[in-house]
Amino acid sequence: GQQLNQSPQSMFIQEGEDVSMNCTSSSIFNTWLWYKQDPGEGPVLLIALYKAGELTSNGRLTAQFGITRKDSFLNISASIPSDVGIYFCAGQLRAGNMLTFGGGTRLMVKP
Amino acid sequence: EAGVTQFPSHSVIEKGQTVTLRCDPISGHDNLYWYRRVMGKEIKFLLHFVKESKQDESGMPNNRFLAERTGGTYSTLKVQPAELEDSGVYFCASSPYRDFGEQFFGPGTRLTVL
Repeated sequence: GQQLNQSPQSMFIQEGEDVSMNCTSSSIFNTWLWYKQDPGEGPVLLIALYKAGELTSNGRLTAQFGITRKDSFLNISASIPSDVGIYFCAGQLRAGNMLTFGGGTRLMVKP
Repeated sequence: EAGVTQFPSHSVIEKGQTVTLRCDPISGHDNLYWYRRVMGKEIKFLLHFVKESKQDESGMPNNRFLAERTGGTYSTLKVQPAELEDSGVYFCASSPYRDFGEQFFGPGTRLTVL
């Protein structure tokens, strides 16, 4: 089946720093989604991307849908302690179909 | 509006026992999905309901897993008999209609099989 390679696996950064993570795939996706999971909770949707090349922001978060449709990245600017958690990318071949998830990036922020 | 709810939040059972997980999607959502995350691995798709019909069950690992969505509202996922490798977190997600990309997740059920 399809696999998403998400990197880095973990990051330990200082509060105020910017963060960048990405996902790559060997095959095309037509939708990319970014989720964040806090301990004991389910994944919460951060950003959805529907068009190749699309760049979308949500507050301090910015995500891009790669032009080849095989990758996506998520940037977090000026990190704060509540950004701590696991970030997942997910690709979808067709809207409404199953999501294929990356392995997650565990973000730790030092105050 | 209430989000996706799952019950129980935790379940600890012995190998060979049966466990039933329940998911209540967001009211009015036709699409319901089950996923699971086994320790240290990525979240993996199990199956997808559209209303009461199974749209895609390609991710179900074997016939010990049975999912139902009678009446097209809540869904149950039964594992019988449970094996050690079934331990993990089982997530349910829902979305409003067929071609809607975004899926909204519940808090998950953590299953431990001893």
